[in-house]
Amino acid sequence: DAGVIQSPRHEVTEMGQEVTLRCKPISGHDYLFWYRQTMMRGLELLIYFNNNVPIDDSGMPEDRFSAKMPNASFSTLKIQPSEPRDSAVYFCASSYGHEQFFGPGTRLTVL
Amino acid sequence: AQSVTQLGSHVSVSEGALVLLRCNYSSSVPPYLFWYVQYPNQGLQLLLKYTSAATLVKGINGFEAEFKKSETSFHLTKPSAHMSDAAEYFCAVSQGGSQGNLIFGKGTKLSVKP
Repeated sequence: DAGVIQSPRHEVTEMGQEVTLRCKPISGHDYLFWYRQTMMRGLELLIYFNNNVPIDDSGMPEDRFSAKMPNASFSTLKIQPSEPRDSAVYFCASSYGHEQFFGPGTRLTVL
Repeated sequence: AQSVTQLGSHVSVSEGALVLLRCNYSSSVPPYLFWYVQYPNQGLQLLLKYTSAATLVKGINGFEAEFKKSETSFHLTKPSAHMSDAAEYFCAVSQGGSQGNLIFGKGTKLSVKP
């Protein structure tokens, strides 16, 4: 298996633009997680899904953030409009059971 | 609710010295416990996990951790540090007894001096 796949790996955008991050979980996994990592805040859970249904989105910082999982093999995290404080590394992880498998992350820079 | 505390945001050891990274947890149910490692510019990868079998768990790269229920601890050790061990280490506990979310500690950055 190729592991969790995230795209793009790097994204540089200007304030106010829409940003879409993509994730393909490991086949057969029924949980999908979105995390954000910054130097100041560390690793934060944003939202997670079980069988494509959002279970807990209490970590989503603002209405500018939204996440979808239209099917078992694809999820998106969208930021609209983006702001400089959204600059971070965003990780997607998937699991079947308790062990989570992380993707390589998307490094987002908002200018 | 479950929580994880990692003592020491930075730990520095000399090459060949013992590595000890501390993790304490709180959980109202028998926990599943994990250590993850993150190398620079990479995602987190599993180092080892405790799932209520043997209390001493061996992981990759010579690391091991011991589950001590009486101390609510799950400290990570390695007898002899290598330069390649320099990374950030995260302890995590399962939330509840069922599948789902993990609660992560704030991480400990390990530096290894030559």
